[in-house]
Amino acid sequence: EAQVTQNPRYLITVTGKKLTVTCSQNMNHEYMSWYRQDPGLGLRQIYYSMNVEVTDKGDVPEGYKVSRKEKRNFPLILESPSPNQTSLYFCASSPLALNTEAFFGQGTRLTVV
Amino acid sequence: SQKIEQNSEALNIQEGKTATLTCNYTNYSPAYLQWYRQDPGRGPVFLLLIRENEKEKRKERLKVTFDTTLKQSLFHITASQPADSATYLCALDIIDGGFKTIFGAGTRLFVKA
Repeated sequence: EAQVTQNPRYLITVTGKKLTVTCSQNMNHEYMSWYRQDPGLGLRQIYYSMNVEVTDKGDVPEGYKVSRKEKRNFPLILESPSPNQTSLYFCASSPLALNTEAFFGQGTRLTVV
Repeated sequence: SQKIEQNSEALNIQEGKTATLTCNYTNYSPAYLQWYRQDPGRGPVFLLLIRENEKEKRKERLKVTFDTTLKQSLFHITASQPADSATYLCALDIIDGGFKTIFGAGTRLFVKA
């Protein structure tokens, strides 16, 4: 089944403790991206990747890192999480950067205390 | 400043009627515009994509219009059903030093039986 898989689905952590949210897609898509979703603000793009080893900042990249060492994986790294990073996070992939639908993962609800 | 606005209030309609959702944007020149459906606690699901040189696109009970002069897209669901109740997101694909997708905050639709 074609899908985007994120892990974990839920995570509660403490301020400053490094964490990684994994994202994997099995559709051989070139473009992957991370979003955070907050009430009233909608989805905001954090980082995106056009292909392996090619990543770029979205609209809200501060406090986040990403890597794209393999085509299928695009992990999101929070080196030193803070409470303002408490949010619902979505990974998405699409065949191309534009003109194609995006497939979203199930979401990761992160709480930083 | 650049922004995307969708109906900020929830939309309540009776089953069988046509639901019309609005997406307005300023200071963007999108190459494409997309509509997604999102159910509570789930990732967005792609519905339709329309190109800047297309006026209208249809898929089953769904219709999207795109007016680049007015900077507006309308999303219609005809013969609406309670199962159509969800949040609908408008998204712009833009080329801005890279390839980005910018989402609106969404409109919550309730269809009453």
